[in-house]
Amino acid sequence: QSALTQPASVSGSPGQSITISCTGTSSDVGGYNLVSWYQQHPGKAPKVIIYECSKRPSGVSDRFSGSKSGNTASLTISGLQAEDEADYHCYSYAGSSLWVFGGGTKLTVL
Amino acid sequence: QMQLVQSGAEVKKTGSSVKVSCKASGYTFTYRYLHWVRQAPGQALEWMGWITPFNGNTNYAQKFQDRVTFTRDRSVGTAYMELSSLRSEDAAIYYCATQGSGSSHFDYWGQGTLVTVSS
Repeated sequence: QSALTQPASVSGSPGQSITISCTGTSSDVGGYNLVSWYQQHPGKAPKVIIYECSKRPSGVSDRFSGSKSGNTASLTISGLQAEDEADYHCYSYAGSSLWVFGGGTKLTVL
Repeated sequence: QMQLVQSGAEVKKTGSSVKVSCKASGYTFTYRYLHWVRQAPGQALEWMGWITPFNGNTNYAQKFQDRVTFTRDRSVGTAYMELSSLRSEDAAIYYCATQGSGSSHFDYWGQGTLVTVSS
């Protein structure tokens, strides 16, 4: 049960788009459409922004979108805003009622 | 509204145990899986396992299998996480979080409990 692989950091300027990848294996990300993404601001609990790879909870901005191809899931944030600066974590079902997080990605808005 | 309220910060000695509570309100306690997640300072989230409050079934991440125990008290709508043989690497914020029945994501989180481990 190894952590999913995310880039440690990404950055972008306001108005730009960025993509964060989350790479696993055929036993987790690739095997199920059960990847969710969480946004976490400093000192706060995480908040879900994408679930089941590409679904957005009500109240979450449509600037956030998710996708999956093979063993890699991706989170795209378009029209970057200062408030998007946060840590982002992917999370996937890994079979046998087990779950796994990614290593987390720090997004910096320049 | 749904809420998970955790117990307060703890300071423990290496080799001891810690027990963190998570009180649920605003929903039927037995209807939702309750997971535990921890986050060491400046580090990623780490999934520890889950408990089903309905019957107390548990499933632990392999890393914690020998040292962690999840329990619940249905009468007070509270889940507990006990971690034993504490080491410095266990210093972290411990969160409880809930998934809806048939759901694959966490929609509610506790506020987190800081556990400090010192020698």
